[in-house]
Amino acid sequence: GAVVSQHPSRVICKSGTSVKIECRSLDFQATTMFWYRQFPKKSLMLMATSNEGSKATYEQGVEKDKFLINHASLTLSTLTVTSAHPEDSSFYICSAKYLAGVGYNEQFFGPGTRLTVL
Amino acid sequence: EDQVTQSPEALRLQEGESSSLNCSYTVSGLRGLFWYRQDPGKGPEFLFTLYSAGEEKEKERLKATLTKKESFLHITAPKPEDSATYLCAVQVSSGSARQLTFGSGTQLTVLP
Repeated sequence: GAVVSQHPSRVICKSGTSVKIECRSLDFQATTMFWYRQFPKKSLMLMATSNEGSKATYEQGVEKDKFLINHASLTLSTLTVTSAHPEDSSFYICSAKYLAGVGYNEQFFGPGTRLTVL
Repeated sequence: EDQVTQSPEALRLQEGESSSLNCSYTVSGLRGLFWYRQDPGKGPEFLFTLYSAGEEKEKERLKATLTKKESFLHITAPKPEDSATYLCAVQVSSGSARQLTFGSGTQLTVLP
């Protein structure tokens, strides 16, 4: 149980294009999903908290117009990197939290998406 | 400001050589402390949640403990497959979303 998938696992795009990353909770419902960014040999930095049916909450310094988040259902959240530039190249990881019940506080992570912007 | 500090940054052990990783924290109201394992190029894998001082949890060769200021991840007789980066994270009582604040991780290498 508690499986989270991400798609794609790896994407290479040209500067100026937009890229969409999907995060799905496969075997549980998640009202809340989180998006993180990780630089090489660094820890995870929270970018935004995504709540089903409402606007995402962005951390300080994260451009909401740059990183568009949509959480349309209890099992799917998407992150769109708009007009990507080389400095957006990074490892993006999502996590999902159980709706309620056992394991309510734990976050379960997806396998990550490696974005390279040329 | 909530802070999580992990030490050491890197640790090399011989197979079978037991050791401990440290996670010290300064937070305003701990709701839970989490340990994750992360392999290169992968997302973190959940290991343990600890909620109160004195609590201990075990899984195979790993045991996590918690005090009011820090947590330890004890690794007994490690094997090469235990090589990974171990992350700890805290969740504080304030806020409804209950975000995690991560430490910088300990990169563990177990040599055969």
